[in-house]
Amino acid sequence: NAGVTQTPKFQVLKTGQSMTLQCAQDMNHEYMSWYRQDPGMGLRLIHYSVGAGITDQGEVPNGYNVSRSTTEDFPLRLLSAAPSQTSVYFCASSLTGQDEKLFFGSGTQLSVL
Amino acid sequence: GENVEQHPSTLSVQEGDSAVIKCTYSDSASNYFPWYKQELGKRPQLIIDIRSNVGEKKDQRIAVTLNKTAKHFSLHITETQPEDSAVYFCAASYTGGFKTIFGAGTRLFVKA
Repeated sequence: NAGVTQTPKFQVLKTGQSMTLQCAQDMNHEYMSWYRQDPGMGLRLIHYSVGAGITDQGEVPNGYNVSRSTTEDFPLRLLSAAPSQTSVYFCASSLTGQDEKLFFGSGTQLSVL
Repeated sequence: GENVEQHPSTLSVQEGDSAVIKCTYSDSASNYFPWYKQELGKRPQLIIDIRSNVGEKKDQRIAVTLNKTAKHFSLHITETQPEDSAVYFCAASYTGGFKTIFGAGTRLFVKA
């Protein structure tokens, strides 16, 4: 099992550009989520999904879109990047999303100039 | 919504000493409290967790305690070693909520 795979590892964008951060898992997990990590602010939940076709907002959803067309994939879209979205992004998954360990991807370091 | 506060933000100890990190949570419905360790440049990984029906849990040199009345939980690391140096995150969630909310993190330095 590869676990949770994120691409790309690094990305530099200009303000206003769009991009998609990819996340895939091969553990047949129903639950997938996106977090952003900023210094001194911990990990903040952006969006999550409890299964294919079902998504919901987390703590900081503004500026981000998600969709879940398959169990394996959960992409995060930035439609118009802003400097405030400079961060490290982690995708995480678990079997059900209920009271259990999260498996994290290796992260994407995004800089918006 | 749930809010998790974590203290201290930075902790420096001598090798062999104990380290304690404390967290408080706001939502009384929270019933699952995991702790994650993140080494420099790596992904967070679960090191221990505790559920609300348990007051204490130990795994070798690490232990967690939970006080549901006060809405406090703590991580205790004994006999610290240089490889314990990392950022530690506490978190909280509740059944049916599907949101794991993290504290801001504690950077632990263990000096050899």
